[in-house]
Amino acid sequence: AQKITQTQPGMFVQEKEAVTLDCTYDTSDQSYGLFWYKQPSSGEMIFLIYQGSYDEQNATEGRYSLNFQKARKSANLVISASQLGDSAMYFCAMTQRRSQGNLIFGKGTKLSVKP
Amino acid sequence: ETGVTQTPRHLVMGMTNKKSLKCEQHLGHNAMYWYKQSAKKPLELMFVYNFKEQTENNSVPSRFSPECPNSSHLFLHLHTLQPEDSALYLCASSQDPRGTGELFFGEGSRLTVL
Repeated sequence: AQKITQTQPGMFVQEKEAVTLDCTYDTSDQSYGLFWYKQPSSGEMIFLIYQGSYDEQNATEGRYSLNFQKARKSANLVISASQLGDSAMYFCAMTQRRSQGNLIFGKGTKLSVKP
Repeated sequence: ETGVTQTPRHLVMGMTNKKSLKCEQHLGHNAMYWYKQSAKKPLELMFVYNFKEQTENNSVPSRFSPECPNSSHLFLHLHTLQPEDSALYLCASSQDPRGTGELFFGEGSRLTVL
């Protein structure tokens, strides 16, 4: 069965420093997509970054980059130059086998940025 | 105007009440979703609608009844819920379920069942 694992329930990072949020996944599919979402206290899930399983380069979006290691089945999110507004829950997700576009999510990591 | 709007943002109901959650998307998307987010659990997919047709029901109890009158609106009708149904219910939309899968979420409806 497909599964997303986020082993860090909570993380602290100093403002302006970089932080890595871990995500490992399990799937027998050859084709899949990996996502990271941010959920601030308001509740809305905000899309951050996407990595396709056949993409040869790691995805980057501004201060966000995805460290994709296919052989290890890991898709860690790196946030550079952390800002106070980055404090939120972060969820790793992947497309499901049964129907692309429907995502399965990890339990999330709560990131707190300290001034 | 946000892309996906959910109302109400907060709802408290008794187990015998009937209420509805509403979701509206202004993005021109063709697929809409209901997810449930319980404390300390991953988001759980409940229903998927593609072009107004239900394409996924993830073994959701019948006390949750979805309705999708058009591609822009999605409802979740609630009837005789249980306290364990208390959660954040998130609506999402996407251009097409067979695309990259990027979902655009609303801010959620926080439901408390007494």
